[in-house]
Amino acid sequence: DTAVSQTPKYLVTQMGNDKSIKCEQNLGHDTMYWYKQDSKKFLKIMFSYNNKELIINETVPNRFSPKSPDKAHLNLHINSLELGDSAVYFCASSQADRDGYTFGSGTRLTVV
Amino acid sequence: AQKVTQAQTEISVVEKEDVTLDCVYETRDTTYYLFWYKQPPSGELVFLIRRNSFDEQNEISGRYSWNFQKSTSSFNFTITASQVVDSAVYFCALSFLRMDSSYKLIFGSGTRLLVRP
Repeated sequence: DTAVSQTPKYLVTQMGNDKSIKCEQNLGHDTMYWYKQDSKKFLKIMFSYNNKELIINETVPNRFSPKSPDKAHLNLHINSLELGDSAVYFCASSQADRDGYTFGSGTRLTVV
Repeated sequence: AQKVTQAQTEISVVEKEDVTLDCVYETRDTTYYLFWYKQPPSGELVFLIRRNSFDEQNEISGRYSWNFQKSTSSFNFTITASQVVDSAVYFCALSFLRMDSSYKLIFGSGTRLLVRP
Protein backbone atom coordinates (compact mmCIF):
# COMPACT_ATOMS: atom_id res chain seq x y z
CA ASP A 1 0.00 0.00 0.00
CA THR A 2 1.30 3.42 -0.93
CA ALA A 3 1.80 5.54 2.21
CA VAL A 4 1.26 8.94 0.57
CA SER A 5 -0.43 8.91 -2.81
CA GLN A 6 -0.99 11.84 -5.15
CA THR A 7 -3.12 12.06 -8.24
CA PRO A 8 -2.61 12.77 -11.00
CA LYS A 9 1.07 12.07 -11.59
CA TYR A 10 1.15 14.32 -14.64
CA LEU A 11 -1.08 17.28 -15.46
CA VAL A 12 -0.84 19.36 -18.62
CA THR A 13 -3.25 22.24 -18.91
CA GLN A 14 -3.72 25.61 -20.54
CA MET A 15 -3.23 29.00 -18.93
CA GLY A 16 -6.31 30.27 -17.19
CA ASN A 17 -7.71 26.84 -16.33
CA ASP A 18 -8.55 25.62 -12.85
CA LYS A 19 -7.13 22.30 -11.68
CA SER A 20 -6.89 20.17 -8.56
CA ILE A 21 -4.31 17.76 -7.21
CA LYS A 22 -5.36 15.18 -4.66
CA CYS A 23 -3.34 13.68 -1.83
CA GLU A 24 -4.14 10.88 0.56
CA GLN A 25 -2.06 9.30 3.32
CA ASN A 26 -2.74 6.04 5.12
CA LEU A 27 -0.11 6.46 7.83
CA GLY A 28 -2.43 7.95 10.43
CA HIS A 29 -0.35 11.13 10.52
CA ASP A 30 -1.90 14.31 11.86
CA THR A 31 -0.02 16.77 9.66
CA MET A 32 0.07 17.10 5.89
CA TYR A 33 2.00 19.44 3.63
CA TRP A 34 2.27 20.72 0.10
CA TYR A 35 5.70 21.50 -1.33
CA LYS A 36 6.56 23.02 -4.69
CA GLN A 37 9.72 22.07 -6.58
CA ASP A 38 10.65 24.47 -9.34
CA SER A 39 12.71 23.85 -12.46
CA LYS A 40 15.93 24.47 -10.52
CA LYS A 41 14.96 21.78 -8.04
CA PHE A 42 14.34 24.19 -5.16
CA LEU A 43 11.85 22.65 -2.74
CA LYS A 44 9.68 25.11 -0.89
CA ILE A 45 6.86 24.55 1.54
CA MET A 46 3.51 26.01 0.53
CA PHE A 47 0.99 24.85 3.11
CA SER A 48 0.69 22.69 6.18
CA TYR A 49 -2.44 21.31 7.79
CA ASN A 50 -2.71 19.73 11.21
CA ASN A 51 -5.89 17.78 11.85
CA LYS A 52 -7.67 19.65 9.07
CA GLU A 53 -6.54 23.03 10.37
CA LEU A 54 -4.30 25.30 8.28
CA ILE A 55 -1.12 26.04 10.24
CA ILE A 56 1.39 27.14 7.62
CA ASN A 57 0.66 29.34 4.63
CA GLU A 58 3.87 30.49 3.01
CA THR A 59 2.98 33.59 1.05
CA VAL A 60 1.33 31.62 -1.68
CA PRO A 61 -0.92 33.46 -4.17
CA ASN A 62 -4.63 33.33 -3.38
CA ARG A 63 -5.12 31.31 -6.55
CA PHE A 64 -3.85 28.34 -4.56
CA SER A 65 -6.37 26.95 -2.11
CA PRO A 66 -5.69 23.84 -0.06
CA LYS A 67 -8.59 21.84 1.31
CA SER A 68 -8.48 19.14 3.95
CA PRO A 69 -11.78 17.25 4.27
CA ASP A 70 -10.23 14.98 6.90
CA LYS A 71 -6.78 14.42 8.31
CA ALA A 72 -5.97 11.75 5.73
CA HIS A 73 -6.57 14.01 2.75
CA LEU A 74 -5.11 17.30 1.61
CA ASN A 75 -6.08 18.55 -1.82
CA LEU A 76 -4.66 21.50 -3.69
CA HIS A 77 -6.86 23.55 -5.97
CA ILE A 78 -5.30 26.09 -8.31
CA ASN A 79 -7.37 28.76 -10.07
CA SER A 80 -6.44 30.69 -13.19
CA LEU A 81 -3.27 28.76 -13.84
CA GLU A 82 -0.22 30.70 -14.98
CA LEU A 83 2.94 29.61 -16.80
CA GLY A 84 4.93 30.14 -13.60
CA ASP A 85 2.86 27.52 -11.82
CA SER A 86 4.58 24.83 -13.84
CA ALA A 87 6.48 22.74 -11.29
CA VAL A 88 6.42 19.44 -9.44
CA TYR A 89 4.12 19.50 -6.43
CA PHE A 90 4.82 17.13 -3.57
CA CYS A 91 2.46 16.15 -0.82
CA ALA A 92 3.91 14.94 2.48
CA SER A 93 2.76 13.87 5.91
CA SER A 94 4.29 13.62 9.38
CA GLN A 95 3.31 12.87 12.94
CA ALA A 96 4.52 15.73 15.14
CA ASP A 97 7.90 15.20 13.50
CA ARG A 98 8.32 11.98 15.44
CA ASP A 99 8.77 9.76 12.42
CA GLY A 100 10.08 12.20 9.90
CA TYR A 101 8.29 13.17 6.73
CA THR A 102 6.87 10.85 4.10
CA PHE A 103 6.52 12.27 0.62
CA GLY A 104 4.25 11.34 -2.24
CA SER A 105 5.71 10.66 -5.66
CA GLY A 106 4.93 14.15 -6.91
CA THR A 107 2.63 15.69 -9.51
CA ARG A 108 4.30 17.30 -12.49
CA LEU A 109 2.15 20.25 -13.55
CA THR A 110 2.82 21.83 -16.93
CA VAL A 111 0.95 24.97 -17.90
CA VAL A 112 1.02 25.78 -21.61
CA ALA B 1 16.29 32.57 10.81
CA GLN B 2 16.63 28.94 9.90
CA LYS B 3 18.54 28.06 6.79
CA VAL B 4 20.17 25.09 5.06
CA THR B 5 23.12 25.59 2.73
CA GLN B 6 24.43 23.04 0.28
CA ALA B 7 27.27 24.87 -1.36
CA GLN B 8 28.07 22.12 -3.87
CA THR B 9 25.71 22.50 -6.79
CA GLU B 10 27.04 19.59 -8.75
CA ILE B 11 29.66 16.87 -8.15
CA SER B 12 30.97 14.43 -10.70
CA VAL B 13 32.98 11.36 -9.69
CA VAL B 14 34.09 8.14 -11.27
CA GLU B 15 32.56 4.94 -10.00
CA LYS B 16 34.18 3.52 -6.85
CA GLU B 17 35.38 6.92 -5.69
CA ASP B 18 34.29 8.17 -2.28
CA VAL B 19 32.32 11.40 -2.26
CA THR B 20 31.18 13.75 0.51
CA LEU B 21 28.20 16.02 0.21
CA ASP B 22 28.32 19.04 2.48
CA CYS B 23 25.46 20.52 4.46
CA VAL B 24 25.59 23.53 6.76
CA TYR B 25 22.55 24.64 8.70
CA GLU B 26 21.53 27.66 10.74
CA THR B 27 19.13 27.68 13.64
CA ARG B 28 18.92 29.18 17.11
CA ASP B 29 16.76 26.32 18.36
CA THR B 30 18.22 23.72 20.67
CA THR B 31 15.83 21.04 19.44
CA TYR B 32 15.73 20.36 15.74
CA TYR B 33 16.03 17.52 13.27
CA LEU B 34 18.25 17.07 10.26
CA PHE B 35 17.47 14.95 7.24
CA TRP B 36 18.94 13.76 4.00
CA TYR B 37 16.76 12.86 1.03
CA LYS B 38 17.70 11.39 -2.32
CA GLN B 39 15.89 12.34 -5.51
CA PRO B 40 16.80 9.95 -8.34
CA PRO B 41 16.02 10.78 -11.97
CA SER B 42 12.60 9.17 -11.54
CA GLY B 43 11.69 12.13 -9.32
CA GLU B 44 10.50 10.74 -6.03
CA LEU B 45 11.99 11.88 -2.73
CA VAL B 46 13.60 9.03 -0.87
CA PHE B 47 14.23 9.38 2.85
CA LEU B 48 17.79 8.46 3.85
CA ILE B 49 18.30 9.56 7.45
CA ARG B 50 16.87 11.61 10.30
CA ARG B 51 18.99 12.88 13.14
CA ASN B 52 17.89 14.88 16.18
CA SER B 53 19.96 17.70 17.57
CA PHE B 54 20.88 15.82 20.72
CA ASP B 55 22.39 12.87 18.96
CA GLU B 56 25.80 13.68 17.53
CA GLN B 57 26.80 10.10 16.94
CA ASN B 58 27.93 9.42 13.44
CA GLU B 59 25.93 6.87 11.57
CA ILE B 60 26.85 4.29 8.97
CA SER B 61 24.43 2.41 6.79
CA GLY B 62 26.16 0.25 4.22
CA ARG B 63 28.10 2.54 1.89
CA TYR B 64 26.45 5.63 3.39
CA SER B 65 27.72 7.50 6.42
CA TRP B 66 26.79 10.76 8.08
CA ASN B 67 28.89 13.13 10.15
CA PHE B 68 26.93 15.46 12.42
CA GLN B 69 28.94 18.21 14.10
CA LYS B 70 27.05 20.79 16.11
CA SER B 71 30.21 22.83 16.67
CA THR B 72 30.34 23.64 12.96
CA SER B 73 26.58 23.28 12.29
CA SER B 74 27.28 20.68 9.67
CA PHE B 75 25.66 17.39 8.71
CA ASN B 76 27.76 15.92 5.93
CA PHE B 77 26.99 12.81 3.95
CA THR B 78 29.61 10.46 2.55
CA ILE B 79 29.10 7.75 -0.04
CA THR B 80 31.88 5.19 -0.07
CA ALA B 81 32.74 3.34 -3.27
CA SER B 82 30.15 5.23 -5.27
CA GLN B 83 28.05 3.46 -7.88
CA VAL B 84 26.25 4.68 -10.97
CA VAL B 85 22.93 4.11 -9.18
CA ASP B 86 23.95 6.75 -6.65
CA SER B 87 23.51 9.40 -9.33
CA ALA B 88 20.77 11.68 -8.05
CA VAL B 89 20.06 15.01 -6.44
CA TYR B 90 20.62 14.90 -2.69
CA PHE B 91 18.85 17.27 -0.34
CA CYS B 92 19.75 18.16 3.20
CA ALA B 93 16.82 19.43 5.27
CA LEU B 94 16.14 20.96 8.67
CA SER B 95 12.98 20.59 10.74
CA PHE B 96 12.31 22.98 13.57
CA LEU B 97 9.53 23.84 15.98
CA ARG B 98 7.65 27.02 15.23
CA MET B 99 6.09 29.34 17.79
CA ASP B 100 2.68 27.82 17.11
CA SER B 101 4.11 24.40 18.08
CA SER B 102 4.02 23.08 14.54
CA TYR B 103 7.07 21.72 12.80
CA LYS B 104 8.40 23.10 9.56
CA LEU B 105 10.78 21.31 7.20
CA ILE B 106 13.03 23.40 5.00
CA PHE B 107 15.40 22.15 2.34
CA GLY B 108 18.78 23.09 1.03
CA SER B 109 19.14 23.75 -2.66
CA GLY B 110 20.37 20.24 -3.35
CA THR B 111 23.58 18.73 -4.72
CA ARG B 112 23.45 16.89 -8.02
CA LEU B 113 25.75 13.88 -7.92
CA LEU B 114 26.82 12.25 -11.15
CA VAL B 115 28.68 8.97 -10.88
CA ARG B 116 30.35 8.02 -14.15
CA PRO B 117 31.17 4.43 -15.03
